[in-house]
Amino acid sequence: DAGVIQSPRHEVTEMGQEVTLRCKPISGHDYLFWYRQTMMRGLELLIYFNNNVPIDDSGMPEDRFSAKMPNASFSTLKIQPSEPRDSAVYFCASMPLLDRLLATNEKLFFGSGTQLSVL
Amino acid sequence: GQSLEQPSEVTAVEGAIVQINCTYQTSGFYGLSWYQQHDGGAPTFLSYNALDGLEETGRFSSFLSRSDSYGYLLLQELQMKDSASYFCAVRDYRDDKIIFGKGTRLHILP
Repeated sequence: DAGVIQSPRHEVTEMGQEVTLRCKPISGHDYLFWYRQTMMRGLELLIYFNNNVPIDDSGMPEDRFSAKMPNASFSTLKIQPSEPRDSAVYFCASMPLLDRLLATNEKLFFGSGTQLSVL
Repeated sequence: GQSLEQPSEVTAVEGAIVQINCTYQTSGFYGLSWYQQHDGGAPTFLSYNALDGLEETGRFSSFLSRSDSYGYLLLQELQMKDSASYFCAVRDYRDDKIIFGKGTRLHILP
């Protein structure tokens, strides 16, 4: 398996523009997470899905952020309009269902991340 | 709410042993995880403790004490490639979210 795949690796955009980040989880993984990483705030959980259904989006900063998972192999995180304070590295991660059910492991598989710079 | 506390930086010498501590406040959780992240890279899973005690995986070991709300990651025979940031994480019973500490930057001196 190729692991969790994110695109683009780098995104530079101007304030006010729409940004779409993409993620393909590992096949067979039921859970998908979106995290944002900054020096000041560390790794923040934005939203997570179970079987394509959003379970908790309380970490989404504001209405400018939205996330979807139309099928088991694809998720998007959209920022519209973008602002300079959104500049960060955005990670997508996935996890198999069995690990969570049994609580015998909590191994998150992270993608390479998207470095977002909003000018 | 949940919070995890870990030192922001730790420095050690190549070949030595270093311990990175993590204390947490949460109403209940499934287990404590540790991740490593090199500069410019993604976090990668190192270990998971569901039960109290020590788990060993090669040069790395992880410990958990639920009664003390405390855990640590122990790195032995340090190598320069171990220079990275290390994060502890927990999944809370109540909201099922996986929350990370702010990370500990490990500096290794030759």
